[in-house]
Amino acid sequence: QVQLQEWGAGLLKPSETLSLTCAVYGGSLSGYHWSWIRQPPGKGLEWIGEINDSGTTNYNPSLKSRVTISVDPSRKQFSLNMTSVTAADTATYFCAREKRQWLITHWIDPWGQGTLVSVSS
Amino acid sequence: QSALTQPASVSGSPGQSITISCSGTTSDVGSYNFVSWYQQHPGKAPKLMIFEGNKRPSAVSDRFSGSKSGKTASLTISGLQAEDEADYYCCSYADRVTVVFGGGTKVTVL
Repeated sequence: QVQLQEWGAGLLKPSETLSLTCAVYGGSLSGYHWSWIRQPPGKGLEWIGEINDSGTTNYNPSLKSRVTISVDPSRKQFSLNMTSVTAADTATYFCAREKRQWLITHWIDPWGQGTLVSVSS
Repeated sequence: QSALTQPASVSGSPGQSITISCSGTTSDVGSYNFVSWYQQHPGKAPKLMIFEGNKRPSAVSDRFSGSKSGKTASLTISGLQAEDEADYYCCSYADRVTVVFGGGTKVTVL
């Protein structure tokens, strides 16, 4: 059974860079896409972007200029970098496995437990 | 890329059926039969309940069902139980190889 675990710095100052990593346990990276999704406190979910095991990425157009997702297949890990953070980026960040066929997303499962990132001066 | 539209809240008594709607556009729900639904309890990660519009993962109760008509998808919970009280999110593939979520619906069991 595949499990995901994310980690990274939990408190940032405005203009700093958010960096998170997600490890995949109990399964292979191949055949799936690997996503980052965030949820501001008390609000809904927002898809940030995804990467496959070959390193091909797709991003939310509203975040694309600040986001980079990378993958390390040898470690079965993938990472999220988001530059120039502001208070609006305060959220719980989830990593997740995404099933795509012909580039179309069919489902997202499982999800990591999530990690809270706060941005404050 | 705008969020899909869901009602903020839906409530029902134990044993009743409720339906949550999810309205989109021709760029997402209206053009693709790949709507999924997620259940989220407070402080927990979302859990996949329905995928490809009307399919259930094997571990999910058959009290949960999905459907779609035009640009609106729906999640129905039959025989409502206390454990169903949670937030529910719809999700759709959208143009330009992206994914969009609904704003979420809080389900209350009276």
